[in-house]
Amino acid sequence: NAGVMQNPRHLVRRRGQEARLRCSPMKGHSHVYWYRQLPEEGLKFMVYLQKENIIDESGMPKERFSAEFPKEGPSILRIQQVVRGDSAAYFCASSPGTGGPYEQYFGPGTRLTVT
Amino acid sequence: AQRVTQPEKLLSVFKGAPVELKCNYSYSGSPELFWYVQYSRQRLQLLLRHISRESIKGFTADLNKGETSFHLKKPFAQEEDSAMYYCALSGPGTALIFGKGTTLSVSS
Repeated sequence: NAGVMQNPRHLVRRRGQEARLRCSPMKGHSHVYWYRQLPEEGLKFMVYLQKENIIDESGMPKERFSAEFPKEGPSILRIQQVVRGDSAAYFCASSPGTGGPYEQYFGPGTRLTVT
Repeated sequence: AQRVTQPEKLLSVFKGAPVELKCNYSYSGSPELFWYVQYSRQRLQLLLRHISRESIKGFTADLNKGETSFHLKKPFAQEEDSAMYYCALSGPGTALIFGKGTTLSVSS
């Protein structure tokens, strides 16, 4: 089992461009979580998705950010019209959907740099 | 407000010395507390959780509801313990709330 995969590992975008971050959960996992880590900060929850459903998006900024987890393919975190403040490490975690939050397995993260 | 505080950004100890990584939390209700670890160039992984009351790699953590603390302890540090340690709390639903992390550096 390859574990949670994220790509790209590093992404550089100019201000105003779009960023797409991908997350492939562990085999058999149907729940995906996205977290953001700003410099010198802890990980902050953004959104929790199941296949084709957003379960909790209370941590998502109201504008420019969206997430999806289609029936087929990876989960995508999309940031439109990026700004310098979006520069951060974005982590994805997956879980089988049973048990509590400790069942989350983390990917290696995508480091987004906005120039 | 629900919050996890790790007061130390960096903790440096010598090999064989005791280690205590501090974690305090603020939560209304019965929390679930966890410690996650990130070794160099590796992904974040669960170290232990309070409900299991287990010892992993010699580390233990006891939930003290009176002091709202969940400090991570190890009696004798090893160089391979050097890593970033995050304390986390289960919030409403299934979201994890993380502290800012403490870097543990163990030198010989």
